[in-house]
Amino acid sequence: QVVLTQSPSASASLGASVKLTCTLSSGHSSYAIAWHQQQPEKGPRYLMKLNSDGSHSKGDGIPDRFSGSSSGAERYLTISSLQSEDEADYYCQTWATASGVFGGGTKLTVL
Amino acid sequence: QVQLQESGPGLVKPSETLSLTCTVSGGSINIYYWNWIRQPPGKGLEWIGYIYYSGSTNYNPSLKSRVTISVDTSKNQFSLKLSSVTAADTAVYYCARGEKYYHDSSGYVPFDYWGQGILVTVSS
Repeated sequence: QVVLTQSPSASASLGASVKLTCTLSSGHSSYAIAWHQQQPEKGPRYLMKLNSDGSHSKGDGIPDRFSGSSSGAERYLTISSLQSEDEADYYCQTWATASGVFGGGTKLTVL
Repeated sequence: QVQLQESGPGLVKPSETLSLTCTVSGGSINIYYWNWIRQPPGKGLEWIGYIYYSGSTNYNPSLKSRVTISVDTSKNQFSLKLSSVTAADTAVYYCARGEKYYHDSSGYVPFDYWGQGILVTVSS
C-alpha cells in the first residue's frame, strides 16, 4: 500500500517562499497526488492536483503564489510571497486500490 | 459553485450508531466519487470510504466492518453510518467530492470540494 510522508513542521518568513515535500513510498514514485490546505479551525481546501511529470492543475480561486512540482518520488508545494493567512496545515493525498490515502500533514508557521 | 454541507447529531452514545448526511448543492451528484473523511482532535485526516453515484462503495479496511455509505441521487445527498462507536470515533467528520482523472493510464481521485465539517463527540 502506498504511504505518503510529510515533515511535521516547516517555517518561513513573511514575504519569503517555502517548499513543502510529500514523499511517495518505494514502488509508487509514478503516483499523482493532490495538495490540500487546512487553516486553523477550518475545513480542508483543495489546492491542486500534481502529476509525476510536474504538470498540475489548481482549484478554483487558488492564487498564482501556489505552485507544484515533482522529482522522482517527491511531490512539492511551493508557496511564494508568504502571507499570514498561509499559516496552516498542508496535506498531500493520493488514490490507490480504490482508496483515499493522506500524508500526515505539515504545519507551516509564517514568522 | 459546488457546496457540501454535513448534518447530523453532534453527540452519540458509546455502542450506538453515528449517522451523518452530506447535502450537495450547486452541482449534480452524478459521475463523481463521494467521500467521508474524519479528523480526530489535534490529529491528521483519515479517509473513511466512498460511494460512487452509481452506488458502488469502498471502505477503509480499518473501519470496514462498521461503515455503511449510501446515496440518494434524487435528493443530491449521501450518508454515513458508523456502528458500535467508541470514544476513539470522536472527530470532525467531513464529506468531500472526488473527480476521477487519468494520468499515464492510472486513475486518481483528488478531493476537490469539501464540506465545512461537523464535530461528532462519542460520550455517555
